[in-house]
Amino acid sequence: GENVGLHLPTLSVQEGDNSIINCAYSNSASDYFIWYKQESGKGPQFIIDIRSNMDKRQGQRVTVLLNKTVKHLSLQIAATQPGDSAVYFCAENIDDYKLSFGAGTTVTVRA
Amino acid sequence: DAGVIQSPRHEVTEMGQEVTLRCKLISGHNSLFWYRQTMMRGLELLIYFNNNVPIDDSGMPEDRFSAKMPNASFSTLKIQPSEPRDSAVYFCASSFAEQAQFFGPGTRLTVL
Repeated sequence: GENVGLHLPTLSVQEGDNSIINCAYSNSASDYFIWYKQESGKGPQFIIDIRSNMDKRQGQRVTVLLNKTVKHLSLQIAATQPGDSAVYFCAENIDDYKLSFGAGTTVTVRA
Repeated sequence: DAGVIQSPRHEVTEMGQEVTLRCKLISGHNSLFWYRQTMMRGLELLIYFNNNVPIDDSGMPEDRFSAKMPNASFSTLKIQPSEPRDSAVYFCASSFAEQAQFFGPGTRLTVL
């Protein structure tokens, strides 16, 4: 499953499929980006980060891709599981320590 | 390792009462952030501290809100007097330098 743009805040994906969550960021000077996962009733949980000197970074079942030319960030989740159901936020640093968060994408995993 | 600790987890109070939210940073972190999350406005940064010094409080809604860091590992966010529109989930997060912020579990505040 894949969503495009900040205006489609939901993504439904079949268990076992790969998920792609997209994010457009605003500040061309941002040099640090983070993906967070927030489950119901919990705080945002760090998933993976990437600096602007890289265009790809991999973690456990997750990959973040950064395209600075079009100011686009994506999070790929391999073999999506029911526990991946959550709201996913991208964040960019906008000023020293400050982060600007996207609106969030709700991912629902279908059994 | 303990993550960011917040207390209380839930707070229900009446309009006009004082509310104090507490946060303990991750050991070794030197930056502290207070956020508010609502359905309408998402995650909003209220204030952040670096090395116990408030750096940017432009997100603090009004004078009813105040935040302190009495030491390097602890912070409070106070609302006095509280109003129903302050109802939200309040998160604190900590980081080391310009690395990723780690969030606490949040305090769900309801002002009646």
